[in-house]
Amino acid sequence: AQSVTQLDSQVPVFEEAPVELRCNYSSSVSVYLFWYVQYPNQGLQLLLKYLSGSTLVKGINGFEAEFNKSQTSFHLRKPSVHISDTAEYFCAVSKPGSYKLIFGSGTRLLVRP
Amino acid sequence: DTAVSQTPKYLVTQMGNDKSIKCEQNLGHDTMYWYKQDSKKFLKIMFSYNNKELIINETVPNRFSPKSPDKAHLNLHINSLELGDSAVYFCASSHSDRVGMWNGYTFGSGTRLTVV
Repeated sequence: AQSVTQLDSQVPVFEEAPVELRCNYSSSVSVYLFWYVQYPNQGLQLLLKYLSGSTLVKGINGFEAEFNKSQTSFHLRKPSVHISDTAEYFCAVSKPGSYKLIFGSGTRLLVRP
Repeated sequence: DTAVSQTPKYLVTQMGNDKSIKCEQNLGHDTMYWYKQDSKKFLKIMFSYNNKELIINETVPNRFSPKSPDKAHLNLHINSLELGDSAVYFCASSHSDRVGMWNGYTFGSGTRLTVV
C-alpha cells in the first residue's frame, strides 16, 4: 500500500526567500505523484504532477518539484515566494491504473513580509 | 462555469438529523469521489464512483450513503448525524487513467458541515 509523509506541518519563510516543502512516499510499485495547494476556505488546486519522463516537473505559480526514485521523494520548491503563496500544500500519490489518491497530512506555508 | 460544484457550501445541523450534500461536474469526467477533511486538514477518501458504479468504499459508517444518478452527479446522504461528522467534505472528479495521461482530481470548493 502507498503512503505519503510530509515531515513539516508548518514552514515559515520571509517573502522573496526560497522554500522547499518535503514529501516522501512509500510504494513497492511505480507511482504517480502530485502536489496540490489549498487556499483558505477553498478546494484543492493542482500545482503539478509527475507521471513519467523528466524527473524535474514545473507547475503553476513558479513552483517545481523533483522526483527522486532512490530517495522516494518528491520535494516542492520555489526560488522566491510571495505573500500570496501562504496556503496549505498537499503531496499525494497514486498507483497507475488506480483511482485512489493518497494524501499526505499537509504543510502550511506561511510567508511573512 | 464551475467545473465541480457542491451545494450547500455551509451546513449547520443538529445531532440526529439527516442531511444531503450534492455534487455536479461539467468536465465530462467518468469518476467522482467524496473526501473528508478533518479539523487537522487530513484528507481521507470515502467513496468513489466510476460511470455510476461504486468502486471505492472505504471504512465509513453505514450512516453515510453515496448515490450517483448519472456520471455527472454524486450525492452524499448522511443519516443520524453525530458531532464527529463535523468536517469539510470535498467532492472531486477525474477521468479514467489513460496510461501516462492521468491528471489527478479536480476538486469542488467543499461543504463545511457543523453538527451541533
